Amino acid sequence: KAGVTQTPRYLIKTRGQQVTLSCSPISGHRSVSWYQQTPGQGLQFLFEYFSETQRNKGNFPGRFSGRQFSNSRSEMNVSTLELGDSALYLCASSLARGGSAGQETQYFGPGTRLLVL
Amino acid sequence: QQQVKQSPQSLIVQKGGISIINCAYENTAFDYFPWYQQFPGKGPALLIAIRPDVSEKKEGRFTISFNKSAKQFSLHIMDSQPGDSATYFCAAKSAGNQFYFGTGTSLTVIP
Repeated sequence: KAGVTQTPRYLIKTRGQQVTLSCSPISGHRSVSWYQQTPGQGLQFLFEYFSETQRNKGNFPGRFSGRQFSNSRSEMNVSTLELGDSALYLCASSLARGGSAGQETQYFGPGTRLLVL
Repeated sequence: QQQVKQSPQSLIVQKGGISIINCAYENTAFDYFPWYQQFPGKGPALLIAIRPDVSEKKEGRFTISFNKSAKQFSLHIMDSQPGDSATYFCAAKSAGNQFYFGTGTSLTVIP
């Protein structure tokens, strides 16, 4: 079974621009979560989508948004980029149906490294 | 506010030694506690996980010890090898399926 894939792997943008990142979950997984990873901060939760609906949201400004398509693929968008948005953005998928035992394991993709200049 | 606190930030262990990483949490509603291993340039990979109704879980050289009353859990890596050198993250999951991660521990195993 193919793992979680993320595109692009690397991205360089300038302040004020916007960016869209893509995530394809493992086949059959309906939950997709996004995280921002920076040195010293660890993984910060952005949001989770399940069956095209945002089910959870972290404490990030409205410049960060996402969506999920009917095939479970997900995109996240960051508008008006700031220098502090430079980070590794990770996507994780799981079967999770409201926390059912054995279905909550998250599988991560390799991430998209975003550099904002 | 950090929901899951992890220590130490970095750890250096001799080959064959025991590596111990600790995590503490506040929310007693967390119901699943995984540990992830991350190598440079890769996403985190699930290493081992435990539920709060179990005090210990062992998989090969990796063991999670869980203390529900103290709201603490730890990862023990026995017979540490240079290939174990990576960053380790603990995490906790809420009933609403949201994960909270620790800030990570960079482990270096010296040959």
